Amino acid sequence: NAGVTQTPKFQVLKTGQSMTLQCAQDMNHEYMSWYRQDPGMGLRLIHYSVGAGITDQGEVPNGYNVSRSTTEDFPLRLLSAAPSQTSVYFCASSYRPPAAGQRDEQYFGPGTRLTVT
Amino acid sequence: AQTVTQSQPEMSVQEAETVTLSCTYDTSENNYYLFWYKQPPSRQMILVIRQEAYKQQNATENRFSVNFQKAAKSFSLKISDSQLGDTAMYFCAFISGGGADGLTFGKGTHLIIQP
Repeated sequence: NAGVTQTPKFQVLKTGQSMTLQCAQDMNHEYMSWYRQDPGMGLRLIHYSVGAGITDQGEVPNGYNVSRSTTEDFPLRLLSAAPSQTSVYFCASSYRPPAAGQRDEQYFGPGTRLTVT
Repeated sequence: AQTVTQSQPEMSVQEAETVTLSCTYDTSENNYYLFWYKQPPSRQMILVIRQEAYKQQNATENRFSVNFQKAAKSFSLKISDSQLGDTAMYFCAFISGGGADGLTFGKGTHLIIQP
């Protein structure tokens, strides 16, 4: 298994440009999520999905769109990049949507470092 | 909303020593899970240890163990016989048992193991 893969590893954008960060997993995980990591801070949740066709907002969703057309893929779209979106972005997945009771370990991708100038 | 606080931005110890990283959290829930993640310079997030809130017994994984004090909402990580490879950022994280709202992370502790 490749686990959770993210592309690209690095990206530089100009203010106002749009782009899509790709995330894929080959573990048949239902639950996928996107986090951003800023200096001096832990990871913060942007969007998550509990299965194909279902997405919802996390703590910091503004400026980002997501969709989940397949179980494997969960792309994150920046509609009009801003310098405040300069960050490292992590995708994560786990077997089951979180529910009362057993919770599965989240597997993280290697991250994408995005710089917006 | 829950919060996670790590009050030690940086710690430094000698190789082979024991070190304890602190974490406190705030939640009104009774069903939740706590984690410690390690992030080396490679940036990869690596799960170190997890604790279910309903379990009274503290989790252990080889040299890593936790001191979980539910009433005090405290969740510290003890690393025994520290090794150079333990140098990394360590994040404490919380997730509720009843919702799909992802992990809430602390700001991290940068642990440096000196030779």
